[in-house]
Amino acid sequence: GNSVTQMEGPVTLSEEAFLTINCTYTATGYPSLFWYVQYPGEGLQLLLKATKADDKGSNKGFEATYRKETTSFHLEKGSVQVSDSAVYFCALTSEGAAGNKLTFGGGTRVLVKP
Amino acid sequence: NAGVTQTPKFQVLKTGQSMTLQCAQDMNHNSMYWYRQDPGMGLRLIYYSASEGTTDKGEVPNGYNVSRLNKREFSLRLESAAPSQTSVYFCASNEVFEAFFGQGTRLTVV
Repeated sequence: GNSVTQMEGPVTLSEEAFLTINCTYTATGYPSLFWYVQYPGEGLQLLLKATKADDKGSNKGFEATYRKETTSFHLEKGSVQVSDSAVYFCALTSEGAAGNKLTFGGGTRVLVKP
Repeated sequence: NAGVTQTPKFQVLKTGQSMTLQCAQDMNHNSMYWYRQDPGMGLRLIYYSASEGTTDKGEVPNGYNVSRLNKREFSLRLESAAPSQTSVYFCASNEVFEAFFGQGTRLTVV
């Protein structure tokens, strides 16, 4: 079946540091890939997505490139801010016998210190 | 606004009481989900519905039932609430190229 593995946190950074959160996946067919963000006390928001190989999703300074050859979708941001402190979830959907099932990684907590 | 709507946002139950969490989406998605999220933890899938009329168990289905009433609505029922069901519950819907979440229901069972 489908699965998503992302690096465990917490990840603690100083403001303006470079952030990378690794995400790799296993899926049948041609999945679409997503990053969700959950700020403290809130629900999940879609941060960015990529629907085919070599696509780059980007939003709010975050980027992730769909790498089919390495089955990865790593999230990056060049200069983080305190307001980026949140939990980040990598996810995928793919067509299959059970419909377009959404599969999540375990989440990575990021803490940015001033 | 288009999206996933969950009700209620907050609920306190006594042990043994029952309740239904409601979820509706207006994006014409086939697939809908119920997740729970416990403090400091990721999302755990309770039930999943690939299309109207079908439901499947997820990782943690015990103590819950679901109904896919129509394409728009997917409800989650706790028949006899237990303190272990204290959690934040999220409903989601998706097609292959997009997936959206509701704002969550914070449930406390005392």
